[in-house]
Amino acid sequence: DAGVIQSPRHEVTEMGQEVTLRCKPISGHDYLFWYRQTMMRGLELLIYFNNNVPIDDSGMPEDRFSAKMPNASFSTLKIQPSEPRDSAVYFCASGGAGETQYFGPGTRLLVL
Amino acid sequence: GQQLNQSPQSMFIQEGEDVSMNCTSSSIFNTWLWYKQDPGEGPVLLIALYKAGELTSNGRLTAQFGITRKDSFLNISASIPSDVGIYFCAGPLSGGYQKVTFGIGTKLQVIP
Repeated sequence: DAGVIQSPRHEVTEMGQEVTLRCKPISGHDYLFWYRQTMMRGLELLIYFNNNVPIDDSGMPEDRFSAKMPNASFSTLKIQPSEPRDSAVYFCASGGAGETQYFGPGTRLLVL
Repeated sequence: GQQLNQSPQSMFIQEGEDVSMNCTSSSIFNTWLWYKQDPGEGPVLLIALYKAGELTSNGRLTAQFGITRKDSFLNISASIPSDVGIYFCAGPLSGGYQKVTFGIGTKLQVIP
């Protein structure tokens, strides 16, 4: 298995632009998670899905952030409009019924 | 809320030395997880602990689930350069295994 796949690996954009991050989870995993990592706040859970349904989005910072999972093999995290404080590494992770989560390599986002 | 405090936040050690790091919480956890994040990659699960007092090894790594269920320890013996990275403790938040909170991490540097 290729593991969790994220794209793009790096994104540089200007303030106000829309950013879309993509994730392909490991086949057969029922859970998908989006995290944000910053120096100041560490790893923060933004939202997670179970069987393509959003279960908990309490970590989504504000309405500028949205996430979708249209099918079992694809999810997006969108930021519109982006702001400099959104600069961070965004991780997607997937997992089964247990506690182990498998992380992707991350998308490094820089908003100028 | 349930928060995890890790210490130390960073360490510089000589190759061959043993390393100890710990994680504490004001709340009880029923599971403790230790992850390692290599530079430029996503976190990878090293060890999972499920019972108070449990001591589990994975090669040169040994982790313990504290008796009070409010702390956990990770030890690395005979460190090598590839041990460099950030080590996170984590535990499931109330409500299920899937929603996990992470500590801020311990950044380990190994001097050859």
